[in-house]
Amino acid sequence: DAGITQSPRHKVTETGTPVTLRCHQTENHRYMYWYRQDPGHGLRLIHYSYGVKDTDKGEVSDGYSVSRSKTEDFLLTLESATSSQTSVYFCAISWAGNTEAFFGQGTRLTVV
Amino acid sequence: QQQVKQSPQSLIVQKGGISIINCAYENTAFDYFPWYQQFPGKGPALLIAIRPDVSEKKEGRFTISFNKSAKQFSLHIMDSQPGDSATYFCAAYPTQGGSEKLVFGKGTKLTVNP
Repeated sequence: DAGITQSPRHKVTETGTPVTLRCHQTENHRYMYWYRQDPGHGLRLIHYSYGVKDTDKGEVSDGYSVSRSKTEDFLLTLESATSSQTSVYFCAISWAGNTEAFFGQGTRLTVV
Repeated sequence: QQQVKQSPQSLIVQKGGISIINCAYENTAFDYFPWYQQFPGKGPALLIAIRPDVSEKKEGRFTISFNKSAKQFSLHIMDSQPGDSATYFCAAYPTQGGSEKLVFGKGTKLTVNP
């Protein structure tokens, strides 16, 4: 999967707890993205990064924050998890803003 | 909100048939149109992509047709095989407001019966 590792792969957490998902790449790609995938909604962009410490919001960013302190790592934090954030989360990377995006294997998050 | 509308939601085709998935985008400039294929439990993977300076691109059994004036593009899978059964997403990179945000359609679940 193009040198992308997501961790954890599965997680169950309780409502109200903070959760951090990690995306690690070995490709030295500039852009990194977090998407969530839900039935009937396809892939929706949460946040993305276009460089170290450079991030911006996507279409469904409420309740999520991100950080990128190194080129290879992009963290997604759910500040206070809610049941509506139960989803499959995908990290993606791309060399430039309009080139192929490579996806990780996904993290299945369940908030109970 | 920039959108890409994809149809149908699901598609069942017999082995050897042609699968056709359509996408349309709204009144925004895009400059890169990829199609992704996703198998259960896996992340999406690029299948084929096209830029708006060409009207068609073919790779093996997969063809993208692009109609810039109609703001539509489609994926054709010729001689569909059971191994093609997957979810397919069309996508587009918008140029206005930054080309960093890849916009996806909602996906088409393709089932190819033996």
